[in-house]
Amino acid sequence: EDQVTQSPEALRLQEGESSSLNCSYTVSGLRGLFWYRQDPGKGPEFLFTLYSAGEEKEKERLKATLTKKESFLHITAPKPEDSATYLCAVQAGYGGATNKLIFGTGTLLAVQP
Amino acid sequence: NAGVTQTPKFRILKIGQSMTLQCTQDMNHNYMYWYRQDPGMGLKLIYYSVGAGITDKGEVPNGYNVSRSTTEDFPLRLELAAPSQTSVYFCASSPGGGARYTFGSGTRLTVV
Repeated sequence: EDQVTQSPEALRLQEGESSSLNCSYTVSGLRGLFWYRQDPGKGPEFLFTLYSAGEEKEKERLKATLTKKESFLHITAPKPEDSATYLCAVQAGYGGATNKLIFGTGTLLAVQP
Repeated sequence: NAGVTQTPKFRILKIGQSMTLQCTQDMNHNYMYWYRQDPGMGLKLIYYSVGAGITDKGEVPNGYNVSRSTTEDFPLRLELAAPSQTSVYFCASSPGGGARYTFGSGTRLTVV
């Protein structure tokens, strides 16, 4: 069964304290791994797509990396405005609904000034 | 450019009542999706559509129905509401397979 697990469930950082969020997955044929950011009361907002092991993407203080079993979202020198829930999702390549995303439960990040 | 618009934003239903959650997108995306989000459970796919006139079940379709008569609209119908349907519902769209989703801002539904 396709599965996505994110850790930790919650993370509290001081402003400027770098850290990483983890997304481990088991899928039958990975077509893509997606990272989204979700603010309270809003829908998820797209951050990155990674397609193959070794791929990296960056956006401001965020960098996403991908291996054959997991992805990391590295946050460098975070600011309070980076506080949000970060969701990981995978797109599997077999079976019906091949475009559907399977989501993890997210990591709630709080960055304190 | 509005993106994906969901209405209403909040709704309280009594057990057994019915309602339709509206979703409209103005990006000419072929693919549209309905997810529900429960605390600690992640987003679960209810129904999806790959184009006008084509819909299919997702992971948790029981108690829901959908239709897709136009590219823009993808309403979700709840028949005989139950407390287990208390959740936040998100509609999303994408231009095609493997493409990123654009989400609406959600509908928070409470069934009492």
